[in-house]
Amino acid sequence: IAGITQAPTSQILAAGRRMTLRCTQDMRHNAMYWYRQDLGLGLRLIHYSNTAGTTGKGEVPDGYSVSRANTDDFPLTLASAVPSQTSVYFCASSDGGGGADTQYFGPGTRLTVL
Amino acid sequence: GQNIDQPTEMTATEGAIVQINCTYQTSGFNGLFWYQQHAGEAPTFLSYNVLDGLEEKGRFSSFLSRSKGYSYLLLKELQMKDSASYLCAVPDSNYQLIWGAGTKLIIKP
Repeated sequence: IAGITQAPTSQILAAGRRMTLRCTQDMRHNAMYWYRQDLGLGLRLIHYSNTAGTTGKGEVPDGYSVSRANTDDFPLTLASAVPSQTSVYFCASSDGGGGADTQYFGPGTRLTVL
Repeated sequence: GQNIDQPTEMTATEGAIVQINCTYQTSGFNGLFWYQQHAGEAPTFLSYNVLDGLEEKGRFSSFLSRSKGYSYLLLKELQMKDSASYLCAVPDSNYQLIWGAGTKLIIKP
């Protein structure tokens, strides 16, 4: 693989179910991010990780959790999905976490919660 | 607080020039990014400005005025493939990017 991958590509989920979105990068980037993108609202940061073993909350963290056990993987978990979590989810990575580094995005996961 | 404003949608003609504006308010300043996003795809990096002035990259140029909290993306010799959304972003006080809602650019033949 080259770059950043996400799985699944799309998913329809019943409300109340648990779901993990997967994200893997092979660029050895230190920082990784999860965004959601909703029509008219732009990208909103859910959680981020500046380096393996650390995570931080973004603008809209409620209902989501993340872990960063190693450099390459940054899964996002919805413990109990709700319809308002219907969105397109993008994972991204950057070499550094200082805000001035270019972020590279995965192809996205389109999630529908019914 | 932080805020970023961009026009929601713009229309331009193939071969023409278009300027997409972005105004921002941040507690500090650590640069401004422009990304391009085609429909159904991921955002991709276009430019990063940290100093005032115009930076040119082929058909695309980006301008920054820190004193005015203003940037624009200039696209020349428009091609149909330039139809996309253009996203403006600035780092916040935690060095995480705050994103504008994006400007959807429609190119007509």
